[in-house]
Amino acid sequence: AQSVTQPDIHITVSEGASLELRCNYSYGATPYLFWYVQSPGQGLQLLLKYFSGDTLVQGIKGFEAEFKRSQSSFNLRKPSVHWSDAAEYFCAVGARDSGAGSYQLTFGKGTKLSVIP
Amino acid sequence: GAVVSQHPSWVICKSGTSVKIECRSLDFQATTMFWYRQFPKQSLMLMATSNEGSKATYEQGVEKDKFLINHASLTLSTLTVTSAHPEDSSFYICSAREGGRGLGNTIYFGEGSWLTVV
Repeated sequence: AQSVTQPDIHITVSEGASLELRCNYSYGATPYLFWYVQSPGQGLQLLLKYFSGDTLVQGIKGFEAEFKRSQSSFNLRKPSVHWSDAAEYFCAVGARDSGAGSYQLTFGKGTKLSVIP
Repeated sequence: GAVVSQHPSWVICKSGTSVKIECRSLDFQATTMFWYRQFPKQSLMLMATSNEGSKATYEQGVEKDKFLINHASLTLSTLTVTSAHPEDSSFYICSAREGGRGLGNTIYFGEGSWLTVV
């Protein structure tokens, strides 16, 4: 079965500093990988996704992520964090659903990002 | 981008009653929708996967008779919590997959529904 590990429960960075959120996955085949952001009491917003091709993926709000197959990682990065980036970030792997020919998501436990002004 | 809407956003119900939560894809057709439950400061737990026109597939440990899921159209899925108890209080989130059942289609999430059972 697939799984996602986000090693950091809580990260605090200063506004303007760079950010890297770690994500490791376990899946037997080539995965579909996603990063979502969740503000308190809200649903999830897709930041970016990787299906195939270029391993460096650009997303919204200035985020990017790099798929490294050898390390089973899909870390999220942003060169300069803004106070509005404070939120919970979830990494997810899309595992193929053999019955429906589609996929479903398995989420990591999330990393809470706090931003110091 | 694609929008998924949930209604209601907040609901309070009495213990023993049933409550229905709607999930709509507003600008795309969703053959497949997913229902999640999220406890405070926890990750999302997949409850069930629903495909339009067929019965939902429930994850292990989820009571199908308690959490009734109906996916009657390509834009609407409903979750009904029957005979609700305080322990059912939670944040329920739906998501919908854009397009058909093919691989590579993006999944979009609703804004969630807070259920409080008193």
